[in-house]
Formats: sequence, C-alpha cells, structure tokens
Amino acid sequence: AAGVIQSPRHLIKEKRETATLKCYPIPRHDTVYWYQQGPGQDPQFLISFYEKMQSDKGSIPDRFSAQQFSDYHSELNMSSLELGDSALYFCASRIGQVSEKLFFGSGTQLSVL
Amino acid sequence: DAKTTQPTSMDCAEGRAANLPCNHSTISGNEYVYWYRQIHSQGPQYIIHGLKNNETNEMASLIITEDRKSSTLILPHATLRDTAVYYCIVRVGLNSGYSTLTFGKGTMLLVSP
Repeated sequence: AAGVIQSPRHLIKEKRETATLKCYPIPRHDTVYWYQQGPGQDPQFLISFYEKMQSDKGSIPDRFSAQQFSDYHSELNMSSLELGDSALYFCASRIGQVSEKLFFGSGTQLSVL
Repeated sequence: DAKTTQPTSMDCAEGRAANLPCNHSTISGNEYVYWYRQIHSQGPQYIIHGLKNNETNEMASLIITEDRKSSTLILPHATLRDTAVYYCIVRVGLNSGYSTLTFGKGTMLLVSP
C-alpha cells in the first residue's frame, strides 16, 4: 500500500541557509500535518492543512512557512536556519472529515551545521 | 485536551502480553483515547483508538474503564519488534473540527528475548 513519502530523507545545511522539505500524502488524503522531533524529544506539532487551507497551527517558528498545493502535497520552508532546527521532521496525512487515523512518513533528518 | 499519565518505561518478555496503562482522570465525555507508537527514529504509527467501548484490531486491544478515567493497551503476544515508545493521547475526535494530535511523554516498552 502507498505510504506518506517525504523528501529528502536527509538534509545538511549551514546556519542561516534555507531548506525546503516535501511531503506527498497517501492518495486521497486531503489533510497534512507537520511535526518536529528534536533529539530525545517527543514529536511537536508544527502546522496542519486541510483541503489546501491551514487548519491548525502549533509551535512553528516565524522563520518557517508551509503550504499545501492543489495535488495535496505539502512543503515546509525553513529560512535563517539555526543549530536548534536540527531535528527529524515528520509529515502525516489522513482523510479529513472521515478518518481518525494519521499515517506518518519516515521523516526528513535535518542537520544544521 | 485531557492530560494523560503513563509510566516512563516498562519491560516485557517476548511472547508474553504487554499491558500498557494510561491514566486520564480529567477526560471529557467527547474525548477519545488514541494510542500511537514510535519505533526508534521512525514515524509514529497509529495503533488503536476508542471512546468508551473496548476495541480490538489486528495490532492490539484497548480496554477503557467504565468511568473512562484510565485505559490499558494490550499487545497480546509481544515481539522484539514491538520495542518502541507508546503514546496515549486523549482529545476530541479529529473530525470534530480540531485537527491537532499532540504527543506527550509516552512509555518506552522494551521487549526482551
């Protein structure tokens, strides 16, 4: 079965650089979530989208932005990267208004040097 | 969302049942109990959820007390691959209009040979 696809799998950036993470939800899933997980931490909710509109916002820094496109894929844009942004970034998807289950991708490991 | 309390860690012998408790004494009538797990550095995985009745699926069983103030996730025959952090999350249904799923501190289950 198709799963949530995230790219890239690994990303290395320097401080003050920008990064773009991509998420391709399971086909027919219209709701996407982004989570950040620092080393030894629990996943922290960043932002979510339903039908291409932002549906909820968590602890996402102002330096980050995200959007969901017409094909339902989502991108997380991160600017002025800081060392503390080094983390695993997970994307999850579900069928909004229908399912209670979130399906997570394998994550993108971002390392800021 | 209601606060949950889980043990920090638990051990289980391979082949035995793993019973993971969760206290949620402030749960409201419209709040569900969700269980997810995260195997090291992988994306969280949905296990099961319920409102008031006990639930069972191919992965686990969820037993919710009659007063709904606590619940137990049961893995009937634990394997080494069940070693993971297990998260108990209590919140209103995702389709109620609130889309966020918040991860707190979970239980690290270690299954040993």
